[in-house]
Amino acid sequence: KNEVEQSPQNLTAQEGEFITINCSYSVGISALHWLQQHPGGGIVSLFMLSSGKKKHGRLIATINIQEKHSSLHITASHPRDSAVYICAVGSYSGGGADGLTFGKGTHLIIQP
Amino acid sequence: AAGVIQSPRHLIKEKRETATLKCYPIPRHDTVYWYQQGPGQDPQFLISFYEKMQSDKGSIPDRFSAQQFSDYHSELNMSSLELGDSALYFCASSSWGEPQHFGDGTRLSIL
Repeated sequence: KNEVEQSPQNLTAQEGEFITINCSYSVGISALHWLQQHPGGGIVSLFMLSSGKKKHGRLIATINIQEKHSSLHITASHPRDSAVYICAVGSYSGGGADGLTFGKGTHLIIQP
Repeated sequence: AAGVIQSPRHLIKEKRETATLKCYPIPRHDTVYWYQQGPGQDPQFLISFYEKMQSDKGSIPDRFSAQQFSDYHSELNMSSLELGDSALYFCASSSWGEPQHFGDGTRLSIL
């Protein structure tokens, strides 16, 4: 079973700061996902990565397959970015529709 | 844009009862996933379906069963409910190889 570790667990920053959340996993994966969960419980998919780097607005996600490590960056952070950010990985199941193994999440608070 | 629809949003049951949760994927999505998130826990993968066939299996108890129907909606059937089954149950859908889109979840409370 894949072990997914995220750091930090909690992060409080000031508006405008550059935010980095890290994720490491233990065995090979089919893809890595960054997800955002708000207090109401809904989960939104931010990125799905299998290599390299992706950018969407102020969010950037990178992955290093050899080092089994990924980072999520938020530039010019804003209070509306406050949420739990979750790293999740899919492992090759053979069936193709790989269920995700979730990290414990990073609780991010951006203060005005 | 249409999202993943789960019903009901909230469900209250007593121990040893049964429950059925429903998931309607985004149109043209052929893959459905079920996850369970206990209070203060990270989500745990239960089971997935691709083209109406079971694809991957996680930590789904034997008391639970699921299937995907010809219209691609899926149902999670839960029997002999226990207090520990109280959780938020997420369904997600995707097209093959694409990111999973999550529903808002069904909050199940067992009294």
